Amino acid sequence: GIQVEQSPPDLILQEGANSTLRCNFSDSVNNLQWFHQNPWGQLINLFYIPSGTKQNGRLSATTVATERYSLLYISSSQTTDSGVYFCAATASGGSYIPTFGRGTSLIVHP
Amino acid sequence: KAGVTQTPRYLIKTRGQQVTLSCSPISGHRSVSWYQQTPGQGLQFLFEYFSETQRNKGNFPGRFSGRQFSNSRSEMNVSTLELGDSALYLCASRELSGNTIYFGEGSWLTVV
Repeated sequence: GIQVEQSPPDLILQEGANSTLRCNFSDSVNNLQWFHQNPWGQLINLFYIPSGTKQNGRLSATTVATERYSLLYISSSQTTDSGVYFCAATASGGSYIPTFGRGTSLIVHP
Repeated sequence: KAGVTQTPRYLIKTRGQQVTLSCSPISGHRSVSWYQQTPGQGLQFLFEYFSETQRNKGNFPGRFSGRQFSNSRSEMNVSTLELGDSALYLCASRELSGNTIYFGEGSWLTVV
């Protein structure tokens, strides 16, 4: 099945800093999503982005499908951005079962 | 619209017991899937249901089972609990033709 790798595994920032999280996937995808897991465990949808670029406030994401990676940008980070960020990819032509990466754990200090 | 609702949120069970977790999807979503999240294994797919039928199944032992009712609500059951079943169990729903899955808050299971 498709392999999904995220980097870095851990990230510590001061409030106001910018960061880039990366997601590499091993096959062509027809679905790629980014999630933020809050401290209470809930996974919140950030982006559905199988290709191209999207922005939502301080967050933006870019997927280069031909090169099999996606990036999540967080600008002017805030303490509320802390948590774990996951990407999930679904291989083209397969059953609709997303494969999740191991996540990037982000801590933003005030 | 209400989001995906999971109950109970927290529970503690003894090894050897069984547990049933419930999930109510977003209204209009007919696909429900379940995931297990542990620190060691990450997020792993358990199964997906659509129209009361299991469409896909992950690599879990037969102690893990599920079902879906005609109103799209789903339950998962774990029998003969083991310590390693301690995990966050997440339910997600989507429209069958939709690209985005939406998660509930999860059920935290501790097996002692």
